[in-house]
Parts: sequence; C-alpha cells; structure tokens
Amino acid sequence: EAGVAQSPRYKIIEKRQSVAFWCNPISGHATLYWYQQILGQGPKLLIQFQNNGVVDDSQLPKDRFSAERLKGVDSTLKIQPAKLEDSAVYLCASRLDGGGNTIYFGEGSWLTVV
Amino acid sequence: QKEVEQDPGPLSVPEGAIVSLNCTYSNSAFQYFMWYRQYSRKGPELLMYTYSSGNKEDGRFTAQVDKSSKYISLFIRDSQPSDSATYLCAMSEPGGYNKLIFGAGTRLAVHP
Repeated sequence: EAGVAQSPRYKIIEKRQSVAFWCNPISGHATLYWYQQILGQGPKLLIQFQNNGVVDDSQLPKDRFSAERLKGVDSTLKIQPAKLEDSAVYLCASRLDGGGNTIYFGEGSWLTVV
Repeated sequence: QKEVEQDPGPLSVPEGAIVSLNCTYSNSAFQYFMWYRQYSRKGPELLMYTYSSGNKEDGRFTAQVDKSSKYISLFIRDSQPSDSATYLCAMSEPGGYNKLIFGAGTRLAVHP
C-alpha cells in the first residue's frame, strides 16, 4: 500500500514570497491533515479535512495560509506571503474512517524562509 | 501550561539499555494515547497505540498509561542503535474528528 505522498520535499524561499505544498493521501482515506512542525517541537495541527470539507482550521493563520482539498483526494497548502517564522516541516497525514485515531504521515515538506 | 508535556532530552544510552520515555498531560478527556517514532528528515511513524489505561506490549516496546496520574510511558528493552530517533507522544479525546495533540518529542541516541 502506497503511503502519503508529499512534494516538494525541500523548498527555500525569501520572506514575502509564496510557496505551495502538495499532498496525496493514502487511497481511501477520507480524513486529511496538515501539520506544522517547527524544529524541536511536536507537530501542530493547521487544518483537518473530512473528504473535501474543513473540520478544523482553528490554528491556521488565515491571513497568510490557505488550504484546499478538491474532490476529496489531493490537497494543497499555500503560504503567501511567507515570514521567517514559517520555517518548518509541513507534514501531511491521512486517516481511514473507522480506523480509530491512527493517522499516517508523509515524509514532510521542509521549508526554509530566508 | 501546555496540554502535553514531554522532556525534549536529548537522552543518550548505551546499546542494550532499558529506555524510559514519559509524557504528562492536563486534559482528563484524553482517551487515546500513541507513541510515534521520527527519524531524522522523515515523517513520524506510529509505534504504539493504547486506548484508556493499562499496558500494551509489542516486542521490545511497552506502553503504559496511568490516567489517574495523567502520565504515559514508553519503555524500550534491549535498545539498539537503530532505535536512535525522536519519540513523540500524542493523545486525543474520543470522537471521530478529535485532533491529536503532540508532545515536543524526546531525542534518543543509542550508542554502540
């Protein structure tokens, strides 16, 4: 079974530029998450989708971050304009409905803002 | 106060040692408790999953949950250099949409 796919793996941008990350969850997983992990910290939930609807985006900085999940499969996370403090790993994860609370992570997209 | 507290370490042990990793939490509604392992430059992978209180064993790994003390532990027996990673505890309330809350992670190094 293929895992959660993310791209790009690494990105370096200047502050005030924009960046987009893509995620393809495990096939059949209805729930998709974007987490932000700053160096030395645990992952923090940014947004959670159930199919293509948003369940929780309470910690998403909506003035600069946006996310969408078209057709309930792939998802894109965008940051515009980026700030230095956005330097982090952006982890996509997915969960199967009825699969308990087990979520599966991708390898992450590493963002450095300079 | 953070909902989940975890000592970031680093923790350095010799090969073969027993390792104890711990987290405390403040939300008494948490019912699901997990341990994830994260290798450098990789995403977290699920190691252990426990519902409510009690112990769970899987090979060299044992997870313990003490809800009365709001304290969870992960024990690694006969530690190996391949166990060197960051260990993240995570927990959530019951319900399909409840999000996982992670600890900061403990960095473990097992040296030969």
